[in-house]
Amino acid sequence: GAVVSQHPSWVICKSGTSVKIECRSLDFQATTMFWYRQFPKQSLMLMATSNEGSKATYEQGVEKDKFLINHASLTLSTLTVTSAHPEDSSFYICSASGGPNEQFFGPGTRLTVL
Amino acid sequence: KQEVTQIPAALSVPEGENLVLNCSFTDSAIYNLQWFRQDPGKGLTSLLLIQSSQREQTSGRLNASLDKSSGRSTLYIAASQPGDSATYLCAVRRGGNTPLVFGKGTRLSVIA
Repeated sequence: GAVVSQHPSWVICKSGTSVKIECRSLDFQATTMFWYRQFPKQSLMLMATSNEGSKATYEQGVEKDKFLINHASLTLSTLTVTSAHPEDSSFYICSASGGPNEQFFGPGTRLTVL
Repeated sequence: KQEVTQIPAALSVPEGENLVLNCSFTDSAIYNLQWFRQDPGKGLTSLLLIQSSQREQTSGRLNASLDKSSGRSTLYIAASQPGDSATYLCAVRRGGNTPLVFGKGTRLSVIA
C-alpha cells in the first residue's frame, strides 16, 4: 500500500517558538493532503485541506495565520505551528489522497509545548 | 454537516468473545466508509474500506457491514484476542478528494 511519512515523530518546544511538521507521500503523488489534530481521548478533527500549488482551505475555528500550510510539491506538505502555546500540544496527523478511493495516513507527530 | 457517532464509547470483553462495534452517520450520501484501529499514542491502521455500493467487507476475523440508506455500519470481531485491544475509529468520505469525517471511536479492551 501507499506510504506516507511524517517528520518529526515527536517534538518538544518552548512556548512562543514555531514548529514545522513535514508530511511526505513516498511512493505516489498526492494533489491533496489533509491535516488533522487529535487531543487526548478525542477523535481526529480536520484542520485543513492542502492542495498542491494553491492555498489551503481551513476548517471553521482553525486560525490560518497560526497554522501555516504549504503544499509546494505533489509529495510534500508542511504544517508550521507559529508562536506555539501549551494549548497547541496535540497529536498532528496528515493524510494524502491517492485518488477518490482512499486516504493514506502518516504515523503522526506528537507536539508538546512547554 | 456530516456527523459520525460510535457506540459504545468503551467496551471490555473477555478473550474469545465475539463482539460488534456500531457506527452511524447522519448524511447517507457517502462515497465510502472506513474502519481504522489506533493503538495508544500511535497513528492509524486501516482495517476495512467499504465502498458505498458494497454491503460488507471481510478481512480475517473482521467483518464490516454497511447499510447506507439507514446510515449505519457495524464492525464484527470474531474470537477476540488481547492483541485486539485498541481504539476503533469509523470514518466516512463524501466523495472525490474530500476528507474523511471521523467518529470519536470505541475503546476496546480484551481481557485474557
